[in-house]
Amino acid sequence: DAGITQSPRHKVTETGTPVTLRCHQTENHRYMYWYRQDPGHGLRLIHYSYGVKDTDKGEVSDGYSVSRSKTEDFLLTLESATSSQTSVYFCAISESIVPGTSLDTQYFGPGTRLTVL
Amino acid sequence: AQSVAQPEDQVNVAEGNPLTVKCTYSVSGNPYLFWYVQYPNRGLQFLLKYITGDNLVKGSYGFEAEFNKSQTSFHLKKPSALVSDSALYFCAVRDSRFGGATNKLIFGTGTLLAVQP
Repeated sequence: DAGITQSPRHKVTETGTPVTLRCHQTENHRYMYWYRQDPGHGLRLIHYSYGVKDTDKGEVSDGYSVSRSKTEDFLLTLESATSSQTSVYFCAISESIVPGTSLDTQYFGPGTRLTVL
Repeated sequence: AQSVAQPEDQVNVAEGNPLTVKCTYSVSGNPYLFWYVQYPNRGLQFLLKYITGDNLVKGSYGFEAEFNKSQTSFHLKKPSALVSDSALYFCAVRDSRFGGATNKLIFGTGTLLAVQP
């Protein structure tokens, strides 16, 4: 999985509790992304990062925050988890965002399955 | 609106037969199109992408995809299916808004390919 690890791989939590998911990469890629995967929706972008301390919102960012203090780590936080955030979360990385090269291809981690009761 | 459609939730094919997984897209400007495959309990793996040039793109594991601009399609194909090809396949297009300055991907809902022995 392209030098990307995600932790934890599985988590069950209760509504209202904070949850932090971690994505760690060893590729030294500048760009990192968080997606959620839900049946009937495919993958949807939550947040992305274009460098240390540089992040921006994606399509479904409400209820999520992110932080990136080091190139290799991108954290996704659910401040107060809700049942609608039960999903599989994927991290992805890319070396560049310049289209038309091989460097903008996104590579995905193994995913974290989160269940909010 | 930019979007990707995978009209078939599931495709069934016998081993040794050719397979096609369909994808159509709607995006302004030049499309950058991707196919990913997801095996059970794994992250997404990159198969191939279309940037420009030859309409037939070859990728990993013997897969290829045909770009058709007039039909706004990017169908995934393989001449002879294997049981091991059974997986969930996602088509994606790069978001072309903001001049393509971000590397956001818009995913289809996925197609489950089942190859029978």
